[in-house]
Amino acid sequence: NAGVMQNPRHLVRRRGQEARLRCSPMKGHSHVYWYRQLPEEGLKFMVYLQKENIIDESGMPKERFSAEFPKEGPSILRIQQVVRGDSAAYFCASSRSDSAFEQYFGPGTRLTVT
Amino acid sequence: QKEVEQNSGPLSVPEGAIASLNCTYSDRGSQSFFWYRQYSGKSPELIMSIYSNGDKEDGRFTAQLNKASQYVSLLIRDSQPSDSATYLCAVSEAGGSYIPTFGRGTSLIVHP
Repeated sequence: NAGVMQNPRHLVRRRGQEARLRCSPMKGHSHVYWYRQLPEEGLKFMVYLQKENIIDESGMPKERFSAEFPKEGPSILRIQQVVRGDSAAYFCASSRSDSAFEQYFGPGTRLTVT
Repeated sequence: QKEVEQNSGPLSVPEGAIASLNCTYSDRGSQSFFWYRQYSGKSPELIMSIYSNGDKEDGRFTAQLNKASQYVSLLIRDSQPSDSATYLCAVSEAGGSYIPTFGRGTSLIVHP
């Protein structure tokens, strides 16, 4: 499967726990974007990363949220001390460096905080 | 603040008809325009991209761009029930960080 991969597909956490969401970009893609989508709402940009660099994190909450894209391995979106309001679908998208306009989305991780 | 506006719908069309989905955007510096299809409970799927004024056709889909009017549309010919989904318009500017702004989507229902 050469598409964008995300895991886990579903994640249940209790309030106060940590959530780790992983994203492997499409083969040949070096740009990763994370989005959050709440029910009946649009996609909200969170963070844009390239290998070992955070390019734009203007959409990410200042507290409890962090993201990384290491030299080796998947990109990780980390949410510490989750609250019920963090329950949402989190999508990762990737693009090529020479055609950075077109983003391709992974299947998403549905996070439920109980 | 950059805005992308779409009618939330639902837009209901009979099978075989042409569905017309519209999108307006606020940033005159926008250069890249995309249409994504999102089925309920699934992730967005890129179906069309357009960068210059005019029409771009791909199978049953035609994207139309008018930068002067800050307007982009998607036409779906011979609509099928399987086209029933939410269609997201996304707009980004050239030379920036390539982060598109998404509209909230238009729900399309194609009834047999």
